[in-house]
Amino acid sequence: GENVEQHPSTLSVQEGDSAVIKCTYSDSASNYFPWYKQELGKRPQLIIDIRSNVGEKKDQRIAVTLNKTAKHFSLHITETQPEDSAVYFCAATGGGQNFVFGPGTRLSVLP
Amino acid sequence: DGGITQSPKYLFRKEGQNVTLSCEQNLNHDAMYWYRQDPGQGLRLIYYSQIVNDFQKGDIAEGYSVSREKKESFPLTVTSAQKNPTAFYLCASSITGGGHYEQYFGPGTRLTVT
Repeated sequence: GENVEQHPSTLSVQEGDSAVIKCTYSDSASNYFPWYKQELGKRPQLIIDIRSNVGEKKDQRIAVTLNKTAKHFSLHITETQPEDSAVYFCAATGGGQNFVFGPGTRLSVLP
Repeated sequence: DGGITQSPKYLFRKEGQNVTLSCEQNLNHDAMYWYRQDPGQGLRLIYYSQIVNDFQKGDIAEGYSVSREKKESFPLTVTSAQKNPTAFYLCASSITGGGHYEQYFGPGTRLTVT
């Protein structure tokens, strides 16, 4: 089955700096890769996603890149702000069935 | 955030009792999912259902059961066979087909078994 690894587990950056979180997956059949943000005690919320037919996607300060050959995808957050502090999860699925999530990255943006 | 609800928000049970967690959605989504989240960890899939009257086991289905009698509802029963049931349970739904798999999550139910 699919296995998703995520690094780093914790990340601290200064406000205004960039943050990068990386995930690797094992199943070459996976074709959809979402990123979720979860604030303490709240539900995960989708912040960006990418499909296997696209190499990069950007939405304002957030971008995701996908390397299908190497089976890894990354989340990039530029100009970080204190409200970006949260736990971020990556996930992978083939056909929207069995979603497999990474263990999460706790991002802290320091003022 | 609206459209998928879970109840109750907090649930306390004695060991050995079965308990059922509710999940309802009015988004007309075909697929529904149940996840378990333990402190400091990611989400692990318990069960998922792509259509009414059909569901599949996820990675950690042992000690849990589900039903999907209606499109809008996907209740999860935590049975006494689940060895460590205390956790945060999240329900999600998504449309299927066309490459659109975005999941919408409910607010979660925090279950404590003593």
